[in-house]
Amino acid sequence: DAKTTQPPSMDCAEGRAANLPCNHSTISGNEYVYWYRQIHSQGPQYIIHGLKNNETNEMASLIITEDRKSSTLILPHATLRDTAVYYCIVRGKGANNLFFGTGTRLTVIP
Amino acid sequence: DAGVIQSPRHEVTEMGQEVTLRCKPISGHNSLFWYRQTMMRGLELLIYFNNNVPIDDSGMPEDRFSAKMPNASFSTLKIQPSEPRDSAVYFCASSLMGAEDTQYFGPGTRLTVL
Repeated sequence: DAKTTQPPSMDCAEGRAANLPCNHSTISGNEYVYWYRQIHSQGPQYIIHGLKNNETNEMASLIITEDRKSSTLILPHATLRDTAVYYCIVRGKGANNLFFGTGTRLTVIP
Repeated sequence: DAGVIQSPRHEVTEMGQEVTLRCKPISGHNSLFWYRQTMMRGLELLIYFNNNVPIDDSGMPEDRFSAKMPNASFSTLKIQPSEPRDSAVYFCASSLMGAEDTQYFGPGTRLTVL
């Protein structure tokens, strides 16, 4: 599976959009981009995933660049409860493992 | 709808003792995964079951670790004998349609081996 690069930490003001970037320049054509988050002392929580097209669900939006070498997770209106470590994972079809790197620690500030 | 259920949430034991961690996957899911998380190594896959059959156990550290899935709604991860280096948070996850599908995680069991 392709490796991902994320900034180690970010801050976001409560109520503003949080934009979390992820670089995956070695991604292959059949590899998906997944986002999970882990709130302190809890299990990883699935957020969203996509292959080529932008995706949106009740939690977030995922924007994937046309060349698929990077993506951005957008939390449209961040709340204090969104403070967590966010993991960007590139996962190939048939891969049973989710490789969680070091992620981005997002702190939402009141 | 209940998510993945794990028990106990916390376990403290002494070195050499047997430890059994339990997991109930989401109803209807056919795949189950056991992960271990430590500060040093992050989140690691230990073993993966599909339709109650172990498919990939390459992440199981050594013979002291064993996992079973006697039916679709229950799995155990056993450590015998336990050692201090086994201290970690153990997560169970399940997916609806196999390993390629989205995995949903339980709350984890925090294991401390003294």
